[in-house]
Amino acid sequence: QQQVKQSPQSLIVQKGGISIINCAYENTAFDYFPWYQQFPGKGPALLIAIRPDVSEKKEGRFTISFNKSAKQFSLHIMDSQPGDSATYFCAAPSNTGKLIFGQGTTLQVKP
Amino acid sequence: DAGVIQSPRHEVTEMGQEVTLRCKPISGHDYLFWYRQTMMRGLELLIYFNNNVPIDDSGMPEDRFSAKMPNASFSTLKIQPSEPRDSAVYFCASSPTSGGPNNEQFFGPGTRLTVL
Repeated sequence: QQQVKQSPQSLIVQKGGISIINCAYENTAFDYFPWYQQFPGKGPALLIAIRPDVSEKKEGRFTISFNKSAKQFSLHIMDSQPGDSATYFCAAPSNTGKLIFGQGTTLQVKP
Repeated sequence: DAGVIQSPRHEVTEMGQEVTLRCKPISGHDYLFWYRQTMMRGLELLIYFNNNVPIDDSGMPEDRFSAKMPNASFSTLKIQPSEPRDSAVYFCASSPTSGGPNNEQFFGPGTRLTVL
């Protein structure tokens, strides 16, 4: 079964710092790589996604960097804020099209 | 828009009992997904439907699990008989047609199931 490997499992960052989460995926015929954000007691919600005709996508403080040859993509959170404290999931499409989620990264931003 | 609606939000039952989880997707969305989330296994796709038809149920753990979508606005996930290892948070999600199953998925608030 295809997998998406996400790291680190947990991350502690000071307010104003940069949070970086990495994902590696296996072969896929599809080009859609989203990041989801989940707060405690809530369902995941789409944060940002990239279709890799570009190597980078930025939305506010959130940036996805994509390396197609290495089959890796990462989420950068600039100027991290306590309100960013949540669990982050990357996902990649399997060869059948359905999304496979990474194990998640719990981010804590200290004030 | 009310978003994806799930019920109940919490369910506590005893081993061997039947459990039914319910989901109402966002109106106009043609894809519906059922996920299970645990600390050990993360977020797992159990099954998904397109236009009320099950497309991929390869994630359904065993025959004790079944899912139905009798119409575009309602789906159920049933566990019979339930076991303690089924304890998890179950999410329903829906997405519109464009982009297929890779489009943005809108998740419900989840049902926290505890099987004693």
